[in-house]
Amino acid sequence: SQQGEEDPQALSIQEGENATMNCSYKTSINNLQWYRQNSGRGLVHLILIRSNEREKHSGRLRVTLDTSKKSSSLLITASRAADTASYFCATDKRGAQKLVFGQGTRLTINP
Amino acid sequence: GAVVSQHPSRVICKSGTSVKIECRSLDFQATTMFWYRQFPKQSLMLMATSNEGSKATYEQGVEKDKFLINHASLTLSTLTVTSAHPEDSSFYICSARERGVGTGANVLTFGAGSRLTVL
Repeated sequence: SQQGEEDPQALSIQEGENATMNCSYKTSINNLQWYRQNSGRGLVHLILIRSNEREKHSGRLRVTLDTSKKSSSLLITASRAADTASYFCATDKRGAQKLVFGQGTRLTINP
Repeated sequence: GAVVSQHPSRVICKSGTSVKIECRSLDFQATTMFWYRQFPKQSLMLMATSNEGSKATYEQGVEKDKFLINHASLTLSTLTVTSAHPEDSSFYICSARERGVGTGANVLTFGAGSRLTVL
C-alpha cells in the first residue's frame, strides 16, 4: 500500500491565497520530501525535511513534520498561477534506496 | 544542478513491438536509477531499482521479462518494454540519485518522462 496519503486530492484556490496540502504516512521514516509535477512532466524536488526537524522554509514554501502523528504539511504562500501542478510527498526509511510516493494533491491556482 | 535526460518523450508503436526508453544523467554519475509508471491523475508506481553493473530489483507484480532494465554505465539506464500491448500504454518516468551525494538524504532527480502509446 502507498506509504503516503495526501489530502486533499484536489485543491482549487484564487491567486494570492495560501495553499495547504497534507501528507500522512504509516511507518517510521528517515526523511520526508515534497515534489512537484507539472502536467505531463517529470517531478521536481522542492524541499526535504529530516525526521528530527519540525519545520523548514524555502522561499514561499513552508513544510512541517509531526512524527508523532506521522504527518506533514506543505504550505505555499501567496500562490501564483504558475504554482498550478500536482504535489507529492515522498518518504524513505533509513538505509532504504527507494522513495515511496503519496497519491498527490492536484493544485489549481485561478488567476 | 543535476539533470536527467529521458528519451524519447513520446513514442507510438504497434502492438507486439518492443520499445526502448533511455535515461541519462547528464552532469553526474548515478549509481542508482529508478523506473516508475504513472497512470493519469495517479501517483508514481515504482517498477524497479536499477543499480549500475548489477541486475535490477523489480517490485512485486512487475514482470521482469516484460520490462527489461539495463544499467550498463554510471550515466545510462534503459527500460525496454518488450512485446508491447495496449495495456502497457502509460507514462514512464526515470529518476537518478547522484553518486556519493547527500548522505542520509535520498533526493532524486527526475527525467521528464516518456509517454508510450501502444496501438
